[in-house]
Amino acid sequence: AQSVSQHNHHVILSEAASLELGCNYSYGGTVNLFWYVQYPGQHLQLLLKYFSGDPLVKGIKGFEAEFIKSKFSFNLRKPSVQWSDTAEYFCAVREDSNYQLIWGAGTKLIIKP
Amino acid sequence: DTEVTQTPKHLVMGMTNKKSLKCEQHMGHRAMYWYKQKAKKPPELMFVYSYEKLSINESVPSRFSPECPNSSLLNLHLHALQPEDSALYLCASSQGGTGGTEAFFGQGTRLTVV
Repeated sequence: AQSVSQHNHHVILSEAASLELGCNYSYGGTVNLFWYVQYPGQHLQLLLKYFSGDPLVKGIKGFEAEFIKSKFSFNLRKPSVQWSDTAEYFCAVREDSNYQLIWGAGTKLIIKP
Repeated sequence: DTEVTQTPKHLVMGMTNKKSLKCEQHMGHRAMYWYKQKAKKPPELMFVYSYEKLSINESVPSRFSPECPNSSLLNLHLHALQPEDSALYLCASSQGGTGGTEAFFGQGTRLTVV
């Protein structure tokens, strides 16, 4: 069965530090890839997505992610984090022929002011 | 309008109660979803409606009963729930068809079963 792995369950950084959150998936076919963010007490919001084309995708709030097909990875990056980036981050993958999103376990990011 | 609206935001119900959760979207999306999310966990898919027909039921107990009255509305009827059913229930929608679209999520209904 397809699975999604997020390597870090908790990440603590200081403001202005650079961020990289790892995401790996197991499916070998065509996939759609997503990063969602859930701020404390709020709903899931889409940060960015990859369907096809340029493997480096830019999202909202200065986030970007790179799809590396050979590594089955879709890591999330931000060059300089802010306190307001404190949230839970979820990677999700969908087979191109399927409705179902397969979710990673999530990474709780805490930014120290 | 890029919103998925869920009501109520909070719900407390007893184990013998019957209640319904409601979800509405006006983006013309033809796929709608119910998810259950426990604290600090990713969402778990419960049901998918595609073009108003139930297409996926992830082995959800029958005390949860989905309904899709039209392309904009999705309900989740609750009956005889257990305390372990307490969770955040999320509705989402996407354009429908296969591939290439993201899901938009509502704010959720925080359900407590007492």
